[in-house]
Amino acid sequence: RKEVEQDPGPFNVPEGATVAFNCTYSNSASQSFFWYRQDCRKEPKLLMSVYSSGNEDGRFTAQLNRASQYISLLIRDSKLSDSATYLCVVKGGSYIPTFGRGTSLIVHP
Amino acid sequence: DVKVTQSSRYLVKRTGEKVFLECVQDMDHENMFWYRQDPGLGLRLIYFSYDVKMKEKGDIPEGYSVSREKKERFSLILESASTNQTSMYLCASRESGTNTEAFFGQGTRLTVV
Repeated sequence: RKEVEQDPGPFNVPEGATVAFNCTYSNSASQSFFWYRQDCRKEPKLLMSVYSSGNEDGRFTAQLNRASQYISLLIRDSKLSDSATYLCVVKGGSYIPTFGRGTSLIVHP
Repeated sequence: DVKVTQSSRYLVKRTGEKVFLECVQDMDHENMFWYRQDPGLGLRLIYFSYDVKMKEKGDIPEGYSVSREKKERFSLILESASTNQTSMYLCASRESGTNTEAFFGQGTRLTVV
């Protein structure tokens, strides 16, 4: 079983829609969780960290469910510019962040 | 702003050549990583380094080696390039610590012919 799993999509949604992605992880000792965004032919960049109590940044909400070992990302009022691949990242006690394969989002007019 | 710089955006090399990919970061980060990214496979860790002269194998180290002589520089070496090493290579760095962000270079798209 892969350590971090994501639905690759693509999720194809109209502008203004609300869309949610989940990411499951296998290591129950994982300590840090992140969502990264990667635009086509660009490097990944941090979108937001995920905190135990859940956190929000504008239209984006991230949540952590330790009992079920998943994190989620909710995007409200989708914009065309939200089209990208969203990478889930999990880190345990080691130096190494583990990346999911990414979920592709396409927002259309 | 943290800057991670990779020496080339695009590179074309011949099979059997020795290839050097350079990565430099300017934020005094302890940890540095080399990944390759292929369609459908996501980011796969090749090697990482948690300090100068320290290196550890990642998930797919075969055919690669690394060098970290200075804290700011982490080099990936393809000893004898092969066509299956055609890929996007991404370097990243981060501070030690639990909740620290990884910063990526812009990537090097390597084609081995």
